Amino acid sequence: QVQLQQSGPGLVKPSQTLSLTCAISGDSVSRNSAAWNWIRQSPSRGLEWLGRTYYRSKWYNDYAVSVKSRVTINPDTSKNQFSLQLNSVTPEDTAMYYCARDQDYAYFFDYWGQGTLVTVSS
Amino acid sequence: QSALTQPASVSGSPGQSITISCTGISSDIGAYNYVSWYQQHPGKAPKLMIYDVSNRPSGVSNRFSGSKSGNTASLTISGLQAEDEADYYCSSYSSTNTRVFGGGTNLTVL
Repeated sequence: QVQLQQSGPGLVKPSQTLSLTCAISGDSVSRNSAAWNWIRQSPSRGLEWLGRTYYRSKWYNDYAVSVKSRVTINPDTSKNQFSLQLNSVTPEDTAMYYCARDQDYAYFFDYWGQGTLVTVSS
Repeated sequence: QSALTQPASVSGSPGQSITISCTGISSDIGAYNYVSWYQQHPGKAPKLMIYDVSNRPSGVSNRFSGSKSGNTASLTISGLQAEDEADYYCSSYSSTNTRVFGGGTNLTVL
């Protein structure tokens, strides 16, 4: 059974960097055909896909246009986890953040983390 | 990429059927059979209910079904039960290898 365990601070100051980690059990961050996503949810924006990282002989990333200039998603193979960094945050980045898995030719999110509420405030 | 369009709310009585629509464009729903639906109860993470337009994961009731026509996908819940009251979100694969979600529909069981 795949489990995703999120960690990271719940409060970030404006203009700073939001950093979250998603630890994977029951699967491998570097497994070919798996992909590891970050999704956020806020009352104003609903669910919003932010991006993903995946390994296909080398590492790739796909990012949403809305955050592409500010977001980085990186794998950590030594700890079997992946991370989200969102730079230059504003109060509009206040949201519940989720990590989730999808797979090649299975373009749906079958496993989700528990969610982390991140508030951007001074 | 633009969000998919869903009705903000729908309601139905126990035992009835309801349908939630999800409208996209030709580069997401219209181009691919990769529409999925998620159920979300308050304070919980979304749960996969339908994938690839009309397939149910193991363990999901057969009261849930999905379909697609053109740029619009639909989720139908038959035999409504109190436990179905939740928010429902659609999602689609989109060109350029991205993903897009709908704005969500709140289902009330009267």
